[in-house]
Amino acid sequence: NAGVTQTPKFRVLKTGQSMTLLCAQDMNHEYMYWYRQDPGMGLRLIHYSVGEGTTAKGEVPDGYNVSRLKKQNFLLGLESAAPSQTSVYFCASSLQGARGDTQYFGPGTRLTVL
Amino acid sequence: EDQVTQSPEALRLQEGESSSLNCSYTVSGLRGLFWYRQDPGKGPEFLFTLYSAGEEKEKERLKATLTKKESFLHITAPKPEDSATYLCAVQGVTSGTYKYIFGTGTRLKVLA
Repeated sequence: NAGVTQTPKFRVLKTGQSMTLLCAQDMNHEYMYWYRQDPGMGLRLIHYSVGEGTTAKGEVPDGYNVSRLKKQNFLLGLESAAPSQTSVYFCASSLQGARGDTQYFGPGTRLTVL
Repeated sequence: EDQVTQSPEALRLQEGESSSLNCSYTVSGLRGLFWYRQDPGKGPEFLFTLYSAGEEKEKERLKATLTKKESFLHITAPKPEDSATYLCAVQGVTSGTYKYIFGTGTRLKVLA
């Protein structure tokens, strides 16, 4: 049982390049989330999904797109990377998003945009 | 506005020196308060969930408590391996939608 996994672990992009971050979970969770973590700031929600084929915007969605074609996978895309998107990105999943539902996090992807 | 504030930002303790970390919150309709541990370069690791004022949870040297406005993470006789950043998060509900708000964490360093 691997839990939540993320690929890649590290990536360096040039401004304007695109990339996709992959998150996978093997816990049969309905809800999945993408966060970014920056120094001095709490985890901020980018997008989330309440089930296969559905996505919704979080607190800081601009410049990102997501897709959830399969229940176990949640993809985060950057179409045209900007230096402001330099951050550590975490994926999380939870069973149903219900009261007291615990989020389980992946190991993170450290992205640098030059 | 929903908000989570953790204090102190950083804490240095000698091995065996007990202390407490604070998490103050304001949220619409608290549904749960979570504590996580985060080691450098890793994702947050779940520790506890608290649901209502007066509730307490324990795990090894850690004990989490909850009041209507704040939560404390008590660390008894800490060891160097307890060094990490401890994150607090609350789950609230707005217009029928659950949301999570995270604090910025307390960086704990335990010296041998």
